Amino acid sequence: AQKVTQAQTEISVVEKEDVTLDCVYETRDTTYYLFWYKQPPSGELVFLIRRNSFDEQNEISGRYSWNFQKSTSSFNFTITASQVVDSAVYFCALSDSGTYKYIFGTGTRLKVLA
Amino acid sequence: ETGVTQTPRHLVMGMTNKKSLKCEQHLGHNAMYWYKQSAKKPLELMFVYNFKEQTENNSVPSRFSPECPNSSHLFLHLHTLQPEDSALYLCASSQGSMGGQGGDTQYFGPGTRLTVL
Repeated sequence: AQKVTQAQTEISVVEKEDVTLDCVYETRDTTYYLFWYKQPPSGELVFLIRRNSFDEQNEISGRYSWNFQKSTSSFNFTITASQVVDSAVYFCALSDSGTYKYIFGTGTRLKVLA
Repeated sequence: ETGVTQTPRHLVMGMTNKKSLKCEQHLGHNAMYWYKQSAKKPLELMFVYNFKEQTENNSVPSRFSPECPNSSHLFLHLHTLQPEDSALYLCASSQGSMGGQGGDTQYFGPGTRLTVL
């Protein structure tokens, strides 16, 4: 069965601190896709990254970086030098090939304090 | 308009009302989705349409009735709702494919905040 676990319900950091959001997934498929989305207070889910199961290279985009490790079934997300605008709920999601269904984690609420 | 738009943004309705939520995507996609997001619950997929055909109905009560007249528009018709149906309803779209390969990136609209009194 597919499952996504975001064990951190809420994290608070002070501006400029680095923060890592954890995501652990379960799937029996060998081909799958992982995603991160940001949901600010306005409600819209904003797409951040898509990674397929065959690409384990870490990715960096500005202050954002992602660490994909198949050995531990984890796809963690790090924000470097956090800013107040990073305050949001962050969701990790899993999709197997052959389906359009996403399995979402329960989300991690990040609060960045000025 | 760009991306995925949803109207109305906020809706308050009584249990006997009939209302509709509208979603429009301007991304040239072929798959569209309805999700429900309740407080303290994971995002729940409700319906999936791929090339205007419904491919997923996630055991949604019949008081929710989707309609997809074309690949750009998706509606959710609501009737005789219950207070527990109050939630944020999110629409999304993705590229889609006839082969149903999946793994698409979904792009979300801003949602409709629904309150059922």
